[in-house]
Amino acid sequence: EVQLVESGAGLVQPGGSLRLSCEASGFTFSNYWFHWVRQAPGKGLVWVSRINSDSSDTIYADSVKGRFTISRDNAKNTLYLQLNDVRPEDTAVYYCTRDLGGGGDYWGQGAPVTVSS
Amino acid sequence: SYVLTQPPSVSVAPGKTARIPCGGNNIGTKSVHWYQQRPGQSPVLVIYYDSDRPSGIPDRFSGSNSGNTATLTISRVEAGDEAVYFCQVWDGYTDQGVFGGGTKLTV
Repeated sequence: EVQLVESGAGLVQPGGSLRLSCEASGFTFSNYWFHWVRQAPGKGLVWVSRINSDSSDTIYADSVKGRFTISRDNAKNTLYLQLNDVRPEDTAVYYCTRDLGGGGDYWGQGAPVTVSS
Repeated sequence: SYVLTQPPSVSVAPGKTARIPCGGNNIGTKSVHWYQQRPGQSPVLVIYYDSDRPSGIPDRFSGSNSGNTATLTISRVEAGDEAVYFCQVWDGYTDQGVFGGGTKLTV
């Protein structure tokens, strides 16, 4: 059974940092690309970042470029999102999702991030 | 940047057919994916590549895509179909994922 389990959620002050993790199981992790997608409270889904299978290509939404970093450890079957210099507008539930044609076929349970002083 | 437009809400009676449109410039040239999100839950893929259905998704769910509009169709609507539905494409020009604003289906 395919599973994606996020961790690292929490409260962080503006300007602070946080790292989200997404541990995968039930499939060959290294064969797939992944995305991070976020959802602010009561709002829609917003694409954040994508990484290819060997980490040679990463791309970001303009709103997070230069502040967030996507990475992966294929030996640990884990995807990461490093959030730096966070802002109140980064408050959201962050989902990891396995790529399927630019979309996501399996999604994690979500990691809530609150940016507040 | 590429924009996908969805109506905020669609209402349908049980047993009838719901059609949820997703508008975008020449969206017919892109692959469209559809997600269902129930309150407090993660999104679930219900249609991919315009009209393919993942295993476990009832055949009451179907999709089409042509011109400037993609459409998610739900036949014989049930109370359990009540959710927010999002369309999504990958914009190859900007190399960015794009979601529609979501449509709340009320049964």
